[in-house]
Amino acid sequence: EVQLLESGGGLVQPGGSLRLSCAASGFMFSSYDMTWVRQAPGKGLEWVSSISGSGGITYYVDSVKGRFTISRDNSKTTLYVQMNSLRVEDTAVYYCAKVSSSVHYGMDVWGQGTTVTVSS
Amino acid sequence: QSVLTQPPSASGTPGQRVTISCSGSSSNIGTNTANWYQQFPGTAPKLLIYSNNQRPSGVPDRFSGSKSGTSASLAISGLQSEDGADYYCAAWDDRLNGVIFGGGTKLTVL
Repeated sequence: EVQLLESGGGLVQPGGSLRLSCAASGFMFSSYDMTWVRQAPGKGLEWVSSISGSGGITYYVDSVKGRFTISRDNSKTTLYVQMNSLRVEDTAVYYCAKVSSSVHYGMDVWGQGTTVTVSS
Repeated sequence: QSVLTQPPSASGTPGQRVTISCSGSSSNIGTNTANWYQQFPGTAPKLLIYSNNQRPSGVPDRFSGSKSGTSASLAISGLQSEDGADYYCAAWDDRLNGVIFGGGTKLTVL
């Protein structure tokens, strides 16, 4: 069964750090781009970052550039995002998702999400 | 503010056909393909349509997508009560070098 399982969310103060993990199973992890998407409470979906299958190419939304770092360990079939200098506006449910094709960039497998709350 | 523009709400009665629009620009839908996602409250999104008009395995053929120029549309025919959900369009944006989502459309089945 194809599955993604996020972990690492929690409550953190503004300016703090968190690392989210996404454990993948059931597919050839290294062959696919992976993505983090977040959803603030009561708001819509926002793409955060993507990484190529090899890990050599990364993309970020402007609002997290310089603060978040996406990475992957293909030997452990795990995706990460290191989040530093967290802001109140980073509060959201964070989903990891598998990109089914780099041609259309549709995300066909999603995790259940992990909640990040940034508050003093 | 989303770069892709969707109506915030839509509604229909069971059996009707409903269309949700998604307006973009030359750097996203105009150049790349549109994807659509369905999301129920408290759950992860689900890929509904990819490459403008392709359905993943398991998605009923009541759902269809189309694209014209810089806009895309999602149509749901034979509307059912369980179709009530939030729907999001998305596309790669060459100018932003990332994925952009529409603001989402809440579909109510009356």
